[in-house]
Amino acid sequence: QKEVEQDPGPLSVPEGAIVSLNCTYSNSAFQYFMWYRQYSRKGPELLMYTYSSGNKEDGRFTAQVDKSSKYISLFIRDSQPSDSATYLCAMSAISTGNQFYFGTGTSLTVIP
Amino acid sequence: DAGITQSPRHKVTETGTPVTLRCHQTENHRYMYWYRQDPGHGLRLIHYSYGVKDTDKGEVSDGYSVSRSKTEDFLLTLESATSSQTSVYFCAIQQLANTEAFFGQGTRLTVV
Repeated sequence: QKEVEQDPGPLSVPEGAIVSLNCTYSNSAFQYFMWYRQYSRKGPELLMYTYSSGNKEDGRFTAQVDKSSKYISLFIRDSQPSDSATYLCAMSAISTGNQFYFGTGTSLTVIP
Repeated sequence: DAGITQSPRHKVTETGTPVTLRCHQTENHRYMYWYRQDPGHGLRLIHYSYGVKDTDKGEVSDGYSVSRSKTEDFLLTLESATSSQTSVYFCAIQQLANTEAFFGQGTRLTVV
């Protein structure tokens, strides 16, 4: 079983839709969570960083962590064609040292 | 954008030759990482550094070595390149353990 599972998609939505991207994980020690956006042939760009459970909002993006279910989500409101990219989740714990565990990414296309 | 520069950005090399990739940062961050990204596998940690001359292995370290003689530079060396090392290599930096990690733009390496 992989440490982090992420549905690869592809996910295709119309412009303006609300997008929900999700990751599940197996290690209950994870407490630091990140979401990255990666455009084709570019490096991952940090979108959101959260610690422990709860929600964090930044503009059109909301990150949600449910540690009891070992489940994290990224919501994108009013999606735009420029949001078309691959989204990666990542997580770590003090007990895992400096090892970040990444999902394999979800490919999102926002159709104008 | 975090001040991370990877060089070269693209390289084609022959099997059996040594290859060195460079990551240079201007952020004075303590932690530096080398990842490879392959379809279906996501990002996998090769090696990381937690200070000058302090390095450790990641999950896919076989066939790779690293060096960090200065805070700003982290070198990844493929001692004898193989076709299985054809990949996109990303450098990442992090100021403190388990905080936000920022990625470079990647090096696309092809071993023929």
